[in-house]
Amino acid sequence: QERLVQSGAEVKRPGASVTFSCETSGFNFRSYFIHWVRQAPGQGLEWMGISPRNVADTSYAQKFKGRVTMTRDTSTRTAYMELSGLTSDDTGIYFCARSTGTGGRFDFWGQGTDLTVTS
Amino acid sequence: SYVLTQPPSVSVAPGQTAAITCGGSNIGSKAVHWYQQKPGQAPLLLVYDDRDRPSGVPERFSGSNSGNTATLTISRVEAGDEADYYCQVWSDRRTVDSGWVFGGGTKLTVL
Repeated sequence: QERLVQSGAEVKRPGASVTFSCETSGFNFRSYFIHWVRQAPGQGLEWMGISPRNVADTSYAQKFKGRVTMTRDTSTRTAYMELSGLTSDDTGIYFCARSTGTGGRFDFWGQGTDLTVTS
Repeated sequence: SYVLTQPPSVSVAPGQTAAITCGGSNIGSKAVHWYQQKPGQAPLLLVYDDRDRPSGVPERFSGSNSGNTATLTISRVEAGDEADYYCQVWSDRRTVDSGWVFGGGTKLTVL
C-alpha cells in the first residue's frame, strides 16, 4: 500500500529555516516524482516545486526560488524540503505528493506538516 | 503566469447535481485534474486527465473539459460530498513561471 508519511509539526522564529521530510513506502521511490504543496490557513493549494527522479531536473515555483531546496535520499526512500528565510506568511500546512511524471497527476499525498512561524 | 478561476462556493440540495467550473485560457488543450479536500485532511485525487477516475472514486464524480472551461460534475450529491474542490493543470515549462497551477478552490455546501 502506497504511503507518504510526513514529519511532525514545527514552530520557528522569523528568519529561521525549516526542513520537512516525507518518508515513502509501498512503491518504487526511484520511479516517482515528489512534489511539495503548501496551504496557508483558510487558503487554497500552492505548488512549491518538484523533486524528480533525476536531481538535475529539480524545479521550483518562481515564488520560492532562492529560498527552497528539495532533495531526496533513495536509500531511505525519503524526500526533503528546506525552506529558509521564514516569515509569518510561511505559516501553513505543507504537503508532499507523488506523481509519475512532471505533468502527471498527484495520486497519493502525505498527511501534511503544520508550520507556525511566530516571534 | 497561467491562472485558473473557480467560483468560491457552490450550494446544492442532497440528491441534486452540482457543477464546479474551472476557467482558464484554452484550458481545453490541457489535462485537468480535480481534487477533493475535507477539513483537516490531505487532498484526494478525484478525476484526472479531464475525465478519468482513480479506482475507488464513485461514478457520481465526472469531469469534462473544452474551450476555456473545465467542469467537475457531482451527481446525486450526498452530505459526505461537502468539501473543498480544486482543479489543477500543468503550465508550459517554456515560460518563466511554469509549473503546476491550482485553482483557488470551490467550497461545496450541501443544503
